Amino acid sequence: EDQVTQSPEALRLQEGESSSLNCSYTVSGLRGLFWYRQDPGKGPEFLFTLYSAGEEKEKERLKATLTKKESFLHITAPKPEDSATYLCAVENAGNMLTFGGGTRLMVKP
Amino acid sequence: SAVISQKPSRDICQRGTSLTIQCQVDSQVTMMFWYRQQPGQSLTLIATANQGSEATYESGFVIDKFPISRPNLTFSTLTVSNMSPEDSSIYLCSVAAQQETQYFGPGTRLLVL
Repeated sequence: EDQVTQSPEALRLQEGESSSLNCSYTVSGLRGLFWYRQDPGKGPEFLFTLYSAGEEKEKERLKATLTKKESFLHITAPKPEDSATYLCAVENAGNMLTFGGGTRLMVKP
Repeated sequence: SAVISQKPSRDICQRGTSLTIQCQVDSQVTMMFWYRQQPGQSLTLIATANQGSEATYESGFVIDKFPISRPNLTFSTLTVSNMSPEDSSIYLCSVAAQQETQYFGPGTRLLVL
């Protein structure tokens, strides 16, 4: 059974204080690892797809990396508008997504 | 990416009634999915909506409780039947072209009293 574990469950940062979110996974036949951002009351918004170990992708203050067992979402100099829940998901060989529990990020000015 | 809309955006329903949620995409997509997100929880896949055939349900979800239709490549409905307060959740549809990223709709917030 595919499993995704995200840590920490919640993270409070001061504006400008960089940090990383972790996503550990086990999956049969990884097709891709996805990061989404979800604001309260909204659907998940796609951020990144990573396909193989060693791959990195960046978007503004966010950078996602992937190893064979985990992925990190690095947030550099975060701003209050980065506050959201960040979801990690893995896609298996059957094109099914399994989501982690998410990390609630709060960035205080 | 596709533009996805859901109706209704939210509803409050009485126990024992049913609610049908619509998902509309602005372009033809290969795959459509329905997820449930219970309060404070992450997303759980309910089923894959198959065009022209019965939906494929995940463990713990059955057709009698969550009937799904997909009459064409841009539209799907999910019905939550004989509702109880435990069905209070956000229901999300997602779409994907074959073997590509899933994009999510805005969700339908359901409260059952």
